[in-house]
Amino acid sequence: QSVLTQPPSASGTPGQRVTISCSGSGSSIGSNNVYWYRQIPGTAPKLLIYRNNQRPSGVPDRFSGSKSGTSASLAISGLRSEDEADYYCAAWDDSLSAHVLFGGGTKLTVL
Amino acid sequence: EVQLVESGGGLVQPGGSLRLSCAASGFTLRGYWMHWVRQAPGKGLVWVSRINGDGSSISYADSVKGRFTISRDNAKNTLYLQMNSLSAEDTAVYYCARGDGYNPPDSWGQGTLVTVSS
Repeated sequence: QSVLTQPPSASGTPGQRVTISCSGSGSSIGSNNVYWYRQIPGTAPKLLIYRNNQRPSGVPDRFSGSKSGTSASLAISGLRSEDEADYYCAAWDDSLSAHVLFGGGTKLTVL
Repeated sequence: EVQLVESGGGLVQPGGSLRLSCAASGFTLRGYWMHWVRQAPGKGLVWVSRINGDGSSISYADSVKGRFTISRDNAKNTLYLQMNSLSAEDTAVYYCARGDGYNPPDSWGQGTLVTVSS
């Protein structure tokens, strides 16, 4: 069972803005950076956001990340059909042996 | 360009062993922590193990502690995962991933499938 909590699903229409939440604890998100990944089923995860709100080169500025307290969010603006994928948040955890925690994943559907 | 290429997956019987390898290129392996992360069919990502740059600090998820061993050979730019006493619950795609210090991974390999079945 994941200790970073994400909604299992999200949806939006093309052009809309969608946000995906990730809730943790003081020893995870509250104390450490949040990363976000996108995964097309059958392929490897790809880094989307690192250190809470930084975009790797090549990731469009339609994607943005934020963190407040023990929660984080990924926002996707100008939704496109190719954004349909699974999205995962992750954070280091200071308290458990499982030092990297992942959220359970959110399946984004573009209607 | 960072490249991570896993190998060694396959079909193994319950109770058996397997060793995964991850060949790294495009960066200096010894400068980075490395992780193994797995994903069971249709399920989410689960962290398995990590090792620091010189191999002096290692940790495991409780689910694999005592059965899996992570190691690295920086001279060969290769990361390993020795998996013993495998059970059906270990069936998953195993990803090698590059660490970013005390942070989640920033680069991932393509994964190798491990199937534990009789």
